[in-house]
Parts: sequence; C-alpha cells; structure tokens
Amino acid sequence: AQSVAQPEDQVNVAEGNPLTVKCTYSVSGNPYLFWYVQYPNRGLQFLLKYITGDNLVKGSYGFEAEFNKSQTSFHLKKPSALVSDSALYFCAVREEQAGTALIFGKGTTLSVSS
Amino acid sequence: DAGVIQSPRHEVTEMGQEVTLRCKPISGHDYLFWYRQTMMRGLELLIYFNNNVPIDDSGMPEDRFSAKMPNASFSTLKIQPSEPRDSAVYFCASSLYRGVEAFFGQGTRLTVV
Repeated sequence: AQSVAQPEDQVNVAEGNPLTVKCTYSVSGNPYLFWYVQYPNRGLQFLLKYITGDNLVKGSYGFEAEFNKSQTSFHLKKPSALVSDSALYFCAVREEQAGTALIFGKGTTLSVSS
Repeated sequence: DAGVIQSPRHEVTEMGQEVTLRCKPISGHDYLFWYRQTMMRGLELLIYFNNNVPIDDSGMPEDRFSAKMPNASFSTLKIQPSEPRDSAVYFCASSLYRGVEAFFGQGTRLTVV
C-alpha cells in the first residue's frame, strides 16, 4: 500500500533563509510524487510534481523538490523564503500503475518570520 | 474551465439529518476523488472513481457514508444520518489520468451540531 510521511508538523524559518520541508514515501512500484500548498480556508493548490526524468523538479513560486529513489524521499525546497510562503504543505504519492489514488501526508505547517 | 466546483461551501446541520455534498469535476477528467480533512487525521481519502466507476471505497468510514457518480460531470457524497464527529472539510478533486496532478475544489465545511 502507498503511504507518505511528513516527519515535521511545523517548520519555522526566517525570511530570506532557505527552507526545506521533508517528505518520504512508500510504494510498491514506481512513484508519482506531488507537492501541494493550502492557504487558510482554501483548497489545495498544486506546486510541482515528479513523474520521471530529472530528479530535481521546479515548480510554482520558486519552489523545487528533489527526488531521491534510494532514500525514498521528495523534499520540498526554496532558496529564499518569503513571509507569504507561510501555509500548510502536503506531499502526495501515486503509484505508476493504473487505477491508483493520490495519497497525502499529514501536512507540514511552514511559518516564515520577518 | 471554472475548475472543480463544490457545493455548498458551508453546511450546518443537526445530528441525525441527511447531508449531501456535491461536486462537478473538470470537464474531461476521468478520475474523481473525495477527501476529508480534519485537524486530527489530516487529509484522508474516502473514495475515488475512474470513468464514473468506484475503484476504492475503503476509506469510507461507515455505512452512513455513500458516494455516487451518475455521470462524468457530477458526483455526490451523502451522509445519513450525520453525527457531530463527521464535522470536517470535505474536498473533491479530479485529474485527467493517473500521471498528472489532481485539481481540488474549494471544499465544503460541514458542521454537525
């Protein structure tokens, strides 16, 4: 069965510093990996995805993530955090085989201080 | 396209009443997902459909919950009878095929008193 772990409930960084939000996954086959962001009282917005190819993927708002197959990780990163990046971030996985669902981690709250 | 549309946005109901949540997926998308978000459990997958057919409903918490997708443009999630512990935000999402991202609706905030 698929599963996603986000080991940190909250990440605190100062504006201008780099940020990392961690994610590890477990699937039986090849993974499709995603990051979403949720602002208060809003739905989830897609940030970026890894399907195949280059292990470093770039997404919206300057975010990027690195796929590491040996460590089964897909950490979200940004070189310089903004206060406006403060939100709830979800990592999700979907198996490559047909008919599988998108499974989410519990989410990590990112707080960027000015 | 207007995106995934959910209705109502907010629902307050009394315990024991029937509640129906509605979702219109993005046109052409063949996967539809229902999720529930709570502080305690995070984002849980309840059920998902592929080409209007339920594929996995193992996340539906109890028989009080049921979901249908009578056609490609409409799905419902019904709770009967509702209980206070059903209070949560319910999201609907759709995707084109398995390899791409799912798009989420704005959610329905359900409060059962």
